[in-house]
Amino acid sequence: SQQGEEDPQALSIQEGENATMNCSYKTSINNLQWYRQNSGRGLVHLILIRSNEREKHSGRLRVTLDTSKKSSSLLITASRAADTASYFCATAIDRGSTLGRLYFGRGTQLTVWP
Amino acid sequence: GAVVSQHPSRVICKSGTSVKIECRSLDFQATTMFWYRQFPKKSLMLMATSNEGSKATYEQGVEKDKFLINHASLTLSTLTVTSAHPEDSSFYICSARSSLSEETQYFGPGTRLLVL
Repeated sequence: SQQGEEDPQALSIQEGENATMNCSYKTSINNLQWYRQNSGRGLVHLILIRSNEREKHSGRLRVTLDTSKKSSSLLITASRAADTASYFCATAIDRGSTLGRLYFGRGTQLTVWP
Repeated sequence: GAVVSQHPSRVICKSGTSVKIECRSLDFQATTMFWYRQFPKKSLMLMATSNEGSKATYEQGVEKDKFLINHASLTLSTLTVTSAHPEDSSFYICSARSSLSEETQYFGPGTRLLVL
């Protein structure tokens, strides 16, 4: 299965601390994306990193990608209580009929305490 | 930003009935829409890929006669759960991919289905 796996499954931190989540996958990818989901809601796209990129920043988010290790990390700096949510990585494989399909990991539940 | 809506947001039905869920891209044309299913505290499982004007492509293990998908226009895809059973209870989420930005999918808010 191409499905990604996030680590840890749950993370609990205090406001102001940094939160790091990791994602591993199994096959070659075109890009890897991180999404956020608040409880019972849809997903919000956070950031996309292509297979030829190693690091990307967006505000307080920093994503790295190591294609040799088939892994990615999402760092949220100076976390806030409002960052509490589930975070998913999703891999995209652009090969023929699989174009555009995303394969999601099980997610990391992040809780940020005030 | 791109907005995708789903209707209804929540539905409760009796076992044996059919339920239709709509997914609309509100401010862009979506050549491709995707349907996912999510169990509590679990990952999203891709059910099918829906292309406007053609038959949907179902993932392995997903019954196409059970989950009917229609993508009649560039802004609307529907998922019909036929003869629903309690095990079909789940959170169904659609996403849409714009023809202008094929790498990014925009997700709807989801539909909570409860089959009694």
